[in-house]
Amino acid sequence: AQTVTQSQPEMSVQEAETVTLSCTYDTSESDYYLFWYKQPPSRQMILVIRQEAYKQQNATENRFSVNFQKAAKSFSLKISDSQLGDAAMYFCAYKKYGNKLVFGAGTILRVKS
Amino acid sequence: GAVVSQHPSWVICKSGTSVKIECRSLDFQATTMFWYRQFPKQSLMLMATSNEGSKATYEQGVEKDKFLINHASLTLSTLTVTSAHPEDSSFYICSARDREQYFGPGTRLTVT
Repeated sequence: AQTVTQSQPEMSVQEAETVTLSCTYDTSESDYYLFWYKQPPSRQMILVIRQEAYKQQNATENRFSVNFQKAAKSFSLKISDSQLGDAAMYFCAYKKYGNKLVFGAGTILRVKS
Repeated sequence: GAVVSQHPSWVICKSGTSVKIECRSLDFQATTMFWYRQFPKQSLMLMATSNEGSKATYEQGVEKDKFLINHASLTLSTLTVTSAHPEDSSFYICSARDREQYFGPGTRLTVT
């Protein structure tokens, strides 16, 4: 079974600084999707970024970028120029085509002003 | 973007009663809907997957007689918690999928 591991229960970052959240996963598949979701205090799940495994280029969405290392099964999220609104719980997730999402345990990100 | 709504956003019920939570995809047809449960500061736990017009598939350990799921149309799924007890108090999140998966805002259930 696929598993997703987020080894950092909590992280802190100073406003305007950069922070990287770690995620590793285990799968025997070659084609799949990886996601980062943000869950702010409102608890609405928000898709931050997605990566298709067959694409070698790392996905980027404004201040958010990923470092996807397929061989190492690693999928970290970098947040640049951190803002107070980035404070949330972040979940890494894996999905095989057509299947259900598998979530990691989450990382709470605190942003200090 | 696609919108998924849930109703109610917060419900309080007495122990032993049943409560129904609705999940609607507002601007797309969802072939598949998912129901999750989430405890504070924990991850989402998938409870069941439902496809329109067919019986839901429950995850291991989820009581199908306690958590009744109905997916009667391509835009509506309901979760009924039957004979609720305080340990059923939690945050329930639905999600709907066409080509992408979209999440509802969640429902907080408190059983007194």
